[in-house]
Amino acid sequence: LAKTTQPISMDSYEGQEVNITCSHNNIATNDYITWYQQFPSQGPRFIIQGYKTKVTNEVASLFIPADRKSSTLSLPRVSLSDTAVYYCLQGDDKIIFGKGTRLHILP
Amino acid sequence: GAVVSQHPSWVICKSGTSVKIECRSLDFQATTMFWYRQFPKQSLMLMATSNEGSKATYEQGVEKDKFLINHASLTLSTLTVTSAHPEDSSFYICSARDRRSRGGGVNEQFFGPGTRLTVL
Repeated sequence: LAKTTQPISMDSYEGQEVNITCSHNNIATNDYITWYQQFPSQGPRFIIQGYKTKVTNEVASLFIPADRKSSTLSLPRVSLSDTAVYYCLQGDDKIIFGKGTRLHILP
Repeated sequence: GAVVSQHPSWVICKSGTSVKIECRSLDFQATTMFWYRQFPKQSLMLMATSNEGSKATYEQGVEKDKFLINHASLTLSTLTVTSAHPEDSSFYICSARDRRSRGGGVNEQFFGPGTRLTVL
């Protein structure tokens, strides 16, 4: 069973900031939190990873509270090409995918 | 760096035939590779973990005699779907873990582009 829970779908508009929150209540001490993006008929693509507090790269930011029972992926100023499924994952061994969040960006 | 390729990218076969899918790590060595299957509008389902030089570990409900996995080298794992049937039609994705990984994160796993299998 997937360890994480996230919204099934979200809609937003171009130019907006999008925040996707994930719950991982059973996160273990050694687990990292990782987010992947997947376009139709493609393999998942790594977006960002963190352990605690805040991580930022050229694509997104990841916010992790002190208790680490949730995380929020923040996508700044989304465009139509950000329409994809986003997966939140926890762990440091094999990856078990949850259902992901289907993000739909509208013009 | 960290590129994983799959071959073929798509394949159509007749029912009852066997199909082999290759997964290669192009610029790193992978002691562990993973095979996933994904049906339309669904998430990825882990099928098995492939370890170089040893037998694969299959997830519950996955038939090891149906889905043969071979990880003969540090850069190549193959998945053979034996006696394929229409219900095996799916998108098969592999991922590879860099052997230099020291744990403490899963970003060392890199995904291939996937193989679309259609069984007629």
